[in-house]
Amino acid sequence: KNQVEQSPQSLIILEGKNCTLQCNYTVSPFSNLRWYKQDTGRGPVSLTIMTFSENTKSNGRYTATLDADTKQSSLHITASQLSDSASYICVVSQKTGANNLFFGTGTRLTVIP
Amino acid sequence: EAGVTQSPTHLIKTRGQQVTLRCSPISGHTSVYWYQQALGLGLQFLLWYDEGEERNRGNFPPRFSGRQFPNYSSELNVNALELEDSALYLCASSSYRGGDYGYTFGSGTRLTVV
Repeated sequence: KNQVEQSPQSLIILEGKNCTLQCNYTVSPFSNLRWYKQDTGRGPVSLTIMTFSENTKSNGRYTATLDADTKQSSLHITASQLSDSASYICVVSQKTGANNLFFGTGTRLTVIP
Repeated sequence: EAGVTQSPTHLIKTRGQQVTLRCSPISGHTSVYWYQQALGLGLQFLLWYDEGEERNRGNFPPRFSGRQFPNYSSELNVNALELEDSALYLCASSSYRGGDYGYTFGSGTRLTVV
């Protein structure tokens, strides 16, 4: 069964600290993996997209890693800011067919001063 | 480049009523996807339209329907509203069938059913 699981469900960190969010998937065949940031009540905004051959991709203070062998990805946020408070959603695309996106339920990150 | 636009942004309806939500994709995108996100839950796939046709639908009852117009904009219709239909409805557009191109989401329509 194609699934995407994220952990932790929620996380509270102090401003300025780093954190790492996890995404494990069983989607096959794999096409790509995206991390989205979703502010409360808003639509998700893409942070990174990674294909099978990419191990690491950065977008400012956000760094995503992908291990296609173990089917795991992580999103590392450095020097967190209050504006990082949001839900972070891992989305995996399947290589075959159409509308083949599988969504994780997200990690709710709260950054406190 | 204008993003995906959705209207209205907020809506309050009474149980049993009907509602229509609208989505305009990014210029050049032919695919429109609709998702439901209930409070605190993940995104649930509703419908996918491409080139004016419904290509796939999620596990939702028939009272959820929609259409895509020749200009690729789309409507989502929900009949006989129920309290559990209260959610954020997100539209996304893509220029390629299948997700190998980026999905861009709109800001959503917050529907509250009372």
